[in-house]
Amino acid sequence: AQKITQTQPGMFVQEKEAVTLDCTYDTSDPSYGLFWYKQPSSGEMIFLIYQGSYDQQNATEGRYSLNFQKARKSANLVISASQLGDSAMYFCAMREGDGNNRLAFGKGNQVVVIP
Amino acid sequence: DSGVTQTPKHLITATGQRVTLRCSPRSGDLSVYWYQQSLDQGLQFLIQYYNGEERAKGNILERFSAQQFPDLHSELNLSSLELGDSALYFCASSVPGVYGYTFGSGTRLTVV
Repeated sequence: AQKITQTQPGMFVQEKEAVTLDCTYDTSDPSYGLFWYKQPSSGEMIFLIYQGSYDQQNATEGRYSLNFQKARKSANLVISASQLGDSAMYFCAMREGDGNNRLAFGKGNQVVVIP
Repeated sequence: DSGVTQTPKHLITATGQRVTLRCSPRSGDLSVYWYQQSLDQGLQFLIQYYNGEERAKGNILERFSAQQFPDLHSELNLSSLELGDSALYFCASSVPGVYGYTFGSGTRLTVV
């Protein structure tokens, strides 16, 4: 069964506007972590933001924020004030509380920022 | 530079051959993870090593094997290569108790 679902088609975003990338997850473990990674065309995986299942507040890191809705099992990434360098694939991932720290990734969202 | 070093960056080889991918984790990181990224399967966890010991196994084929050496670098060995093994192979490392990890820049393997 797929643990992480990212179903949005590729998105075009106007520079300086905000974009929201959807991510839903499936787990029965009460302890888990959610991550977003960015993969530009050069291929490297860049960590953006982390949300723990017990965190009371939504995570924020600069222009990135995570809209964590635990009851809905969603962890949407919000990128504010988009820049051309934000054009990339964005992956949502989940770590379950088995102590091994391995991540299950979604299929990714393609974002293209246009001037 | 993430601090996780993977070599080589690109590898082209023929079906049936064997290759070795190398990963040096960030200084101080004891855990090494290997992932495969392909167009059809996406990012798949292969295997984790912690301080030289295998810690967890994912969707790793029997033709693939890995090890972590005393200096903590790791190697992923892929044998009897098939066209479908063409993918981007990532290594990542982490510090104990810190969730999430840092990826290397990957090795792009093309099997022809």
